[in-house]
Amino acid sequence: DQQVKQNSPSLSVQEGRISILNCDYTNSMFDYFLWYKKYPAEGPTFLISISSIKDKNEDGRFTVFLNKSAKHLSLHIVPSQPGDSAVYFCAASVLGAGSYQLTFGKGTKLSVIP
Amino acid sequence: DADVTQTPRNRITKTGKRIMLECSQTKGHDRMYWYRQDPGLGLRLIYYSFDVKDINKGEISDGYSVSRQAQAKFSLSLESAIPNQTALYFCATSDPAGTEDQPQHFGDGTRLSIL
Repeated sequence: DQQVKQNSPSLSVQEGRISILNCDYTNSMFDYFLWYKKYPAEGPTFLISISSIKDKNEDGRFTVFLNKSAKHLSLHIVPSQPGDSAVYFCAASVLGAGSYQLTFGKGTKLSVIP
Repeated sequence: DADVTQTPRNRITKTGKRIMLECSQTKGHDRMYWYRQDPGLGLRLIYYSFDVKDINKGEISDGYSVSRQAQAKFSLSLESAIPNQTALYFCATSDPAGTEDQPQHFGDGTRLSIL
């Protein structure tokens, strides 16, 4: 049973517009969430994270929103740039468990059209 | 130079062969991880290690074994490879603090094909 779900396999956005990538989770024990970006032939690269004590975290063009009651998080990219075209993975962990194991979603492929 | 280096980057082998994938890191992190990614799926944890003397099974450890030869080196072995182990394999490291500011850092992966 998938504990972290990214229901949109792909997303296309015009350059300069907002990209919104969504992620849902089922395990209420998750207390730390991350987004990774992956280019072809490279490993995932950490993008941004948020702990369950917050509902928003910003880093430049990237903002992650967390809605704990809905078990939903989203990544906003504003403005979107062609270099943002990649596969984005949502991941979650239970920091309190001490193992720092990450559970990943299947990923969303973002295409930013010039 | 890459902080997390995986060798080989690509490998094609036959069913029943023993395969070893290697990972080395220069980040000085204590924790190391092995994941596999299948097409259209997210990464799944195979094994993880907190230090040289600590090895733990992940979600999908059957058919795999690991060795932590040193703080900087973590190897994944397939004792008798089978076709459904064809996948992209990633090694990752993280700081032992496990804080918000210390996410896992990944190597560029090993593409393994078993015929």
